[in-house]
Amino acid sequence: TQLLEQSPQFLSIQEGENLTVYCNSSSVFSSLQWYRQEPGEGPVLLVTVVTGGEVKKLKRLTFQFGDARKDSSLHITAAQPGDTGLYLCAGALEGSNYKLTFGKGTLLTVNP
Amino acid sequence: GAVVSQHPSWVICKSGTSVKIECRSLDFQATTMFWYRQFPKQSLMLMATSNEGSKATYEQGVEKDKFLINHASLTLSTLTVTSAHPEDSSFYICSASSSSSSFNYGYTFGSGTRLTVV
Repeated sequence: TQLLEQSPQFLSIQEGENLTVYCNSSSVFSSLQWYRQEPGEGPVLLVTVVTGGEVKKLKRLTFQFGDARKDSSLHITAAQPGDTGLYLCAGALEGSNYKLTFGKGTLLTVNP
Repeated sequence: GAVVSQHPSWVICKSGTSVKIECRSLDFQATTMFWYRQFPKQSLMLMATSNEGSKATYEQGVEKDKFLINHASLTLSTLTVTSAHPEDSSFYICSASSSSSSFNYGYTFGSGTRLTVV
């Protein structure tokens, strides 16, 4: 059973379109993080959300943490080819000694 | 910002040999390091948690005698794949944290090691 359900797994869109990636769980997380990974590289942190209901913006990226701290979303506005990559959500369960659990990832391709 | 250096970035070895992968925190002391394995186009699977000066904690299904982890100093952890076989071919990634309080700021990941066993 996947603790963090991430959807969609694959997404191919045209430049300029908007998209949303979802990360859902039945468990409560002390915080949740979003990473972006390029082929052959390690993940790079985009954002950490800590408070239920929190919304954070990073240029064209908007991250939201659910009120109950069980889910999160990543919305990209006007996607660009440079946004192409694997997007991963990850969280640590309360009491897990800060051990990260990753979602399966969303492979995003933005076509010019 | 925090930097984690992982070496080598890629390695090819013969079946039956052992391979050591190093993970170094360059500008901070890493009390905890995590080792992950990633298959193509898939997510990261945690293999083990490594705490400086103590034995690593392995996830269920990970053979501790095959994947030897040493965290002898606050800046270095190593993963040794012993008696490697082709099915061990994968992308191995480490991450590091200086303390529990840094968790909310995200862990820093190494750039990964592509292991190919022939």
